[in-house]
Amino acid sequence: NAGVTQTPKFQVLKTGQSMTLQCAQDMNHEYMSWYRQDPGMGLRLIHYSVGAGITDQGEVPNGYNVSRSTTEDFPLRLLSAAPSQTSVYFCASSYSSRGPYEQYFGPGTRLTVT
Amino acid sequence: DAKTTQPTSMDCAEGRAANLPCNHSTISGNEYVYWYRQIHSQGPQYIIHGLKNNETNEMASLIITEDRKSSTLILPHATLRDTAVYYCIVRFYNTDKLIFGTGTRLQVFP
Repeated sequence: NAGVTQTPKFQVLKTGQSMTLQCAQDMNHEYMSWYRQDPGMGLRLIHYSVGAGITDQGEVPNGYNVSRSTTEDFPLRLLSAAPSQTSVYFCASSYSSRGPYEQYFGPGTRLTVT
Repeated sequence: DAKTTQPTSMDCAEGRAANLPCNHSTISGNEYVYWYRQIHSQGPQYIIHGLKNNETNEMASLIITEDRKSSTLILPHATLRDTAVYYCIVRFYNTDKLIFGTGTRLQVFP
């Protein structure tokens, strides 16, 4: 198993540009989520999904969109990038949201918005 | 989800046990205690979780007090590769939302 994969690893955007961060898992996990981590801070939940076709907002959803058309993929779209979105983005997945299952995290995407 | 309080940083000599405390005084009956760690800038890694009883796995032991208001993560023989930020998280059993604090930065020295 590759686990949770994220692309790209690094990205530089100009203010106002849009882009999609990719996340995929090959463990047939129901639950997937996106976090952002600012320097010296813990992770904050952006959006999550409990299954294909179902998404919901986390703590800091503004400026981001998600969709879950397949079990495997959970892309995160930045609609109009702002310098405040400079951060490291982590995708995570777990077997199910109905139970105390561990979450598996991807390696992260480091995004800089200038 | 209940909030947790952890020391900002700790040191530990290589080969010794590292004991990382966590206070979660507002924890409710259905909330689990989870520990994750983040080595350098990698994605967080699951370590262990528990509800009431003490738990042990190949990585660590988790000791939860009888009143469940605090817990301790024990790395029995710390190595340099255990240098990381350790997060204590409390969450309801039926949700996968993890609320991360700022964690404890553990430095293992030779």
